[in-house]
Amino acid sequence: SQQGEEDPQALSIQEGENATMNCSYKTSINNLQWYRQNSGRGLVHLILIRSNEREKHSGRLRVTLDTSKKSSSLLITASRAADTASYFCATDDFKAAGNKLTFGGGTRVLVKP
Amino acid sequence: DGGITQSPKYLFRKEGQNVTLSCEQNLNHDAMYWYRQDPGQGLRLIYYSQIVNDFQKGDIAEGYSVSREKKESFPLTVTSAQKNPTAFYLCASSIQAGGYYEQYFGPGTRLTVT
Repeated sequence: SQQGEEDPQALSIQEGENATMNCSYKTSINNLQWYRQNSGRGLVHLILIRSNEREKHSGRLRVTLDTSKKSSSLLITASRAADTASYFCATDDFKAAGNKLTFGGGTRVLVKP
Repeated sequence: DGGITQSPKYLFRKEGQNVTLSCEQNLNHDAMYWYRQDPGQGLRLIYYSQIVNDFQKGDIAEGYSVSREKKESFPLTVTSAQKNPTAFYLCASSIQAGGYYEQYFGPGTRLTVT
């Protein structure tokens, strides 16, 4: 089963609006990462937030982490057509052996000009 | 120009044939990964390697094999035992394995088996 589950599965907004997507996970984690994937391409790392951090910013991106609720959110402010992509959260499992990330199913974002 | 290369971009094979997907990196990263992505889905881990000459099974290793003889290279073989091999395959690397390190992805290989 997926460790991370994104919500919503798809999101359609107008250019200039904010886009918010959420990620829920099941087990305790050390870190949570967000990635972007343009259609038919590889993933690009956006931001990493550690389990002892509550909020992190990078340009127009804001990530929050609530370990008590096992959830994270990614906010893209003032969206642009170029933000059209799928966004994935990825978590590591604090107790699992091996060093690997587990990716969620993704949120597909469409920014209309 | 550093990065990860995957070749070819598109690959077509007949059912019953083994096929090897190439992944090369010049980032001097220790860890490398293979993921499978089906349409509209997330990534599922096939195999990963934390260091040369070592690799571990991921969540969906059945029907796949890998080798890690060189730091730069982590080829994936899709064998005839893989029941549903048609998918988009992504290779990634990171400085070291673990959730603290971001992963760098190649452009992917789209495999179609008929």
